[in-house]
Amino acid sequence: KAGVTQTPRYLIKTRGQQVTLSCSPISGHRSVSWYQQTPGQGLQFLFEYFSETQRNKGNFPGRFSGRQFSNSRSEMNVSTLELGDSALYLCASSLGGVGGSRLNTEAFFGQGTRLTVV
Amino acid sequence: AQRVTQPEKLLSVFKGAPVELKCNYSYSGSPELFWYVQYSRQRLQLLLRHISRESIKGFTADLNKGETSFHLKKPFAQEEDSAMYYCAPGDNFNKFYFGSGTKLNVKP
Repeated sequence: KAGVTQTPRYLIKTRGQQVTLSCSPISGHRSVSWYQQTPGQGLQFLFEYFSETQRNKGNFPGRFSGRQFSNSRSEMNVSTLELGDSALYLCASSLGGVGGSRLNTEAFFGQGTRLTVV
Repeated sequence: AQRVTQPEKLLSVFKGAPVELKCNYSYSGSPELFWYVQYSRQRLQLLLRHISRESIKGFTADLNKGETSFHLKKPFAQEEDSAMYYCAPGDNFNKFYFGSGTKLNVKP
């Protein structure tokens, strides 16, 4: 089956602009998580969506937002870009156990979108 | 706050030697523990999870709740094991706290 697809693969933006990244999860997966990867901070959790609802959020400013559509595809938006937002943004999908279920928490990662802010 | 420590940034061993990648965590609640691996030019992928108690590609990981550690071990390293390894406690809602990673280099 097709894996997690992220588009675009590469982006170059100017400070102050905004950007939208897209993630198509594995068919049947309802949970989509986003991570920022930088050399200095490593992999940091941004947020997670399940059935179009944000269930969890990391410690990022409000400039970082996301949404999920009824087909489970997710977008992440960053407004008023700063140089420090340059990073690899990874998306991960999973079946997404609900409530106390831990059975389906294996996350499958996309190849990422490399964002460069100049 | 949740915290994951992988003390070694780089670990170099010779083929056939034992390898241990250390992971210590500080976590409120009872996380599920995972190890993820990223081979060169490939996606981050799950290696193993403690709840499964499996041995994947010869790797095992023992959860020590007293020491809050989840070290990854393999008795005989192979060159194809060279990769970046991340320890990641996770909760019910697919929120993972990744360590900074350890780059394993297995020399011939």
